Amino acid sequence: SSELTQDPAVSVALGQTVRITCQGDSLRFYYATWYQQKPRQAPLIVIYGKNNRPSGIPDRFSGSSSGNTASLTITGAQAEDEADYYCNSRDSSDDHWVFGGGTKVTVL
Amino acid sequence: EVQLVQSGAEVKEPGATVRVSCKVSGYSFTDYYIHWVHQAPGKGLEWMGLLDPDDSHTIYAEKYQGRLTITADTSTDTAYMELSSLRSDDSAVYYCATQTGIWGQGTMVTVSS
Repeated sequence: SSELTQDPAVSVALGQTVRITCQGDSLRFYYATWYQQKPRQAPLIVIYGKNNRPSGIPDRFSGSSSGNTASLTITGAQAEDEADYYCNSRDSSDDHWVFGGGTKVTVL
Repeated sequence: EVQLVQSGAEVKEPGATVRVSCKVSGYSFTDYYIHWVHQAPGKGLEWMGLLDPDDSHTIYAEKYQGRLTITADTSTDTAYMELSSLRSDDSAVYYCATQTGIWGQGTMVTVSS
């Protein structure tokens, strides 16, 4: 089955821009979904499809994709964006999901 | 509003079976797959399996084959995740989620003697 690879941690200064990447073979065929997870909370979808934000997600969150790599960009990071971010996609062979290992974003 | 509401926390002894429920509302239950995801304390998200409520077709992660059963009751719009032969490393939060990315609040399962 496929795997998705993320950097374990990244930091960003308040108001600056941070990009989180996710690599995997399944991303050549399917868009990544990005989830934000804060401590003791369920994951919250922030980006899905080509670059779609659910209602209520600030427009500082955006997604992009190229080849086997998907990216989540936070433009003008805020303190409340400090969280773990997970990428997710469908496996390239069947309907099951695969997750990246998660990236911990620290806002300095 | 789409909502997935899960059953409450469970404490089980090693070797026992746990059953977690996930009641959905706000959409037609049979329209979307239900996925189950495991998150051990301080760890990442791990996919366990999925169910198509329309025909009860299931796919399980290889790691859980033989121990995991996912079912659905379309009369109550509720999905169930049953994990047997529990071990200490099954202690985790278990989430249900739709294929559209809406998640339940999570259910903490503690396996301890």
